Formats: sequence, structure tokens, C-alpha cells
Amino acid sequence: AQKITQTQPGMFVQEKEAVTLDCTYDTSDPSYGLFWYKQPSSGEMIFLIYQGSYDQQNATEGRYSLNFQKARKSANLVISASQLGDSAMYFCAMSPSSNYQLIWGAGTKLIIKP
Amino acid sequence: EAGVTQFPSHSVIEKGQTVTLRCDPISGHDNLYWYRRVMGKEIKFLLHFVKESKQDESGMPNNRFLAERTGGTYSTLKVQPAELEDSGVYFCASSQLRASNEKLFFGSGTQLSVL
Repeated sequence: AQKITQTQPGMFVQEKEAVTLDCTYDTSDPSYGLFWYKQPSSGEMIFLIYQGSYDQQNATEGRYSLNFQKARKSANLVISASQLGDSAMYFCAMSPSSNYQLIWGAGTKLIIKP
Repeated sequence: EAGVTQFPSHSVIEKGQTVTLRCDPISGHDNLYWYRRVMGKEIKFLLHFVKESKQDESGMPNNRFLAERTGGTYSTLKVQPAELEDSGVYFCASSQLRASNEKLFFGSGTQLSVL
């Protein structure tokens, strides 16, 4: 079965600290993509970062990096130097090559404290 | 450039009524997707259009849901008749290409409440 697991329903982090949001996945597809999206209170899903299953290096996008450990089937999101505007829901999602449907985790609510 | 637009942002209807949700994708995006998140559950895929054709509708829960994409532009998702379990947030997304590495651009969703 294809599944995404986010084990942290909520997190509080002090402003300017780094934060790691956990994501593990399960798939039998040899090729797949892993995404992180941010959902602020406005409701819109905002793309943050993408990692392909065959990518040799971990993806980075500004303050966001994806700690991809293929053997452990984990794709944790790391946010460096957190800001108040980072407070939001964060979703991990997987796109298996077999059908291109996004499979989503339950999300992690991140709150940055000033 | 305008993003993905969804209308209405909120809809409150009674059980048995009909509701139509609308999505305007980013101009030039052939691929349009509908997802929904019901209370307490993960976001789930509903269906995928390529231009005006339904490419994959395996996620549609039952025949009370009807999606259309006239002329390959905007899309509508009609629920008729609505049931209590249809309550949730309905997201629309679009993309230029269809590939496992293609990021989707999402709208802000329609919060549907069926009473």
C-alpha cells in the first residue's frame, strides 16, 4: 500500500531556530517524487520543495532542505532559521510514477514562537 | 500571473441540496486536479483532467459527484444530492505537464459544510 506518515501533529519552535518535520513513506514503485507543501491560514497550498527518488543529492530551496534517506524511506523537511511567517500546516506528499496521484500525509501544524 | 482560483471559498448547504464548485486553473495549464480533505482525514485525490478529458477519476467517491471541464478551461465539481459526509475542503490544482516530478499549483480551496 502507498502511504505517507507524518508523526508530528503539532510543533512549537522558537523563532530563528531550525526545525525538522518528519515524513516517512511507503511505496513499491521504483520511481516516485516527494513533495512538501505549506498551508498558511489563508488556505492555499504552497509548494516548498521536491525530491525525486533517483536524485543523488538532497533538494534545497532557500531556507528549506529535504533530508532524503531512501533506505529508511524518509523525507524530512528542514527549515533553517525559522521565522514567524513559517507558522502553518505542512504536508508531505508522494507522487508515484504509476498514476501521478498525490498521496498525502496528515500534516504537521508548526507554530513559531517569538 | 493569476494563480488557481476557486469559488466559492465557503459554502453551507443542507443535506439533499446541490452545490457546484468552480475552479479556474492557471492559464495554459492543461492538467487540472481535484482533491478533498474531509474532517480528520488525509487529503485525497478525486480526479484529473487533461484539457477537457477525464484522465483519471478513480478517486471520485460515488455517482453523486460530477466533474466537468468545458473547453479545457475552468472546471466545475457538482455534488447532487449532498450528504453530511461530503463536508470538507475541496482543493483544485493545475499543472503544465503530467509527470511525477511536476509540482502542482493549488487554489485556496472551497470549504463545504453540509448540515
